[in-house]
Amino acid sequence: DAGVTQSPTHLIKTRGQQVTLRCSPKSGHDTVSWYQQALGQGPQFIFQYYEEEERQRGNFPDRFSGHQFPNYSSELNVNALLLGDSALYLCASNPDRVTDTQYFGPGTRLTVL
Amino acid sequence: GENVEQHPSTLSVQEGDSAVIKCTYSDSASNYFPWYKQELGKRPQLIIDIRSNVGEKKDQRIAVTLNKTAKHFSLHITETQPEDSAVYFCAASPNMDTGRRALTFGSGTRLQVQP
Repeated sequence: DAGVTQSPTHLIKTRGQQVTLRCSPKSGHDTVSWYQQALGQGPQFIFQYYEEEERQRGNFPDRFSGHQFPNYSSELNVNALLLGDSALYLCASNPDRVTDTQYFGPGTRLTVL
Repeated sequence: GENVEQHPSTLSVQEGDSAVIKCTYSDSASNYFPWYKQELGKRPQLIIDIRSNVGEKKDQRIAVTLNKTAKHFSLHITETQPEDSAVYFCAASPNMDTGRRALTFGSGTRLQVQP
């Protein structure tokens, strides 16, 4: 049974560019949450998707957007990249509304130059 | 929104000693408190969690205590081993009608267990 997977592992972009990160939840999980983890800090909640809609959102600008597909996989898009967007982007999934334990993927390390 | 503070930021103990990490939270609506362990370059892994209807939970060498009145919770690791060395994060989350939670994390504690 595969756990949460993310792609790519690493990514280097320049300021102003756009990036798309991908996440496949653990088998049987329908909810995907995205977190940003800056170096030396705890993860910060970006947003959460289930039933193909954004359901909750943290304190992140509109440059951060997402999508969830019918197979529950998800994408995180960031437009107009800033140097401060450099971070580890983590995806987490949980099965349903009853089981609230979140399982994290390995993350995508984004570097903005 | 919720704010979680975590102390200490670094902790060094001798192998076999106990380690305690403390967190406070601000939102009285929070009722779920997980702890994650993150080794260098790896994903956060859940090690234990507690809900507000209990005051303490144990799992082998790991225990978590919760004081709802004071809004703080702590992680206790006994008989520490070198493989316990990692960064530990506490988190808090309010109950949502949907049951699906957004976690607010502390800033992390780097635990080093000296052999």
